[in-house]
Amino acid sequence: DIQMTQSPSTISASVGDRVTITCRASQGISGWLAWYQQKPGKAPKLLIYEASTLQSGAPSRFSGSGSGTDFTLTISSLQPDDSATYYCQQYNSYSYTFGQGTKLEIK
Amino acid sequence: EVQLIQSGPEVKKPGATVKMSCKASGYIFSDYNIHWVRQAPGKGLEWLGFVDPQYRDTFYNEKVRGRVTITADTSLDTAYIEVSGLRSADTAVYYCATAFSTGYFDYWGQGVLVTVSS
Repeated sequence: DIQMTQSPSTISASVGDRVTITCRASQGISGWLAWYQQKPGKAPKLLIYEASTLQSGAPSRFSGSGSGTDFTLTISSLQPDDSATYYCQQYNSYSYTFGQGTKLEIK
Repeated sequence: EVQLIQSGPEVKKPGATVKMSCKASGYIFSDYNIHWVRQAPGKGLEWLGFVDPQYRDTFYNEKVRGRVTITADTSLDTAYIEVSGLRSADTAVYYCATAFSTGYFDYWGQGVLVTVSS
């Protein structure tokens, strides 16, 4: 199975900051990577798919990049509503795995 | 509007079986796979498997294969997941989700809490 490792596990940043979360796959997955935002008590919400495509309705301050094994999610200017846990997720040959999550806190 | 409405919370004893439903609306149910993902309290997301409603094909996470059964009824636009031999580690919120394209989950149900306790 392909393992996904996110870093950091938690991050604290101020409104207006640029924030980057990384996700590393244990083997190459081409561009088959998605990012989700989850708030407490809610279902995850798709932000980015195919590594860099912004989901319709997701704020433009979110962007994704990477291919192969290394990927990043960037928030260009942090907003109070961005406080949440973020997960990466890979797809490979009818198997899907998520990263362990990154909890983003607003200072 | 795409919606996935899941059944209500469940409390089960160890060793029991639970079956949950996920009713879809707002799109052609048979055209897209339905996936199931769970999340133990305070933990991350775990993909369990999916069903192709049109052909009834299924694929499962090897970790749960044999204890999890995913089905779909196109006459009711509803997918189901059954988990047998429940243990405390199966206590989690179970989500259904659609995959309108390959590789990711674009719409999610509200989630169902399953509690396994003696």
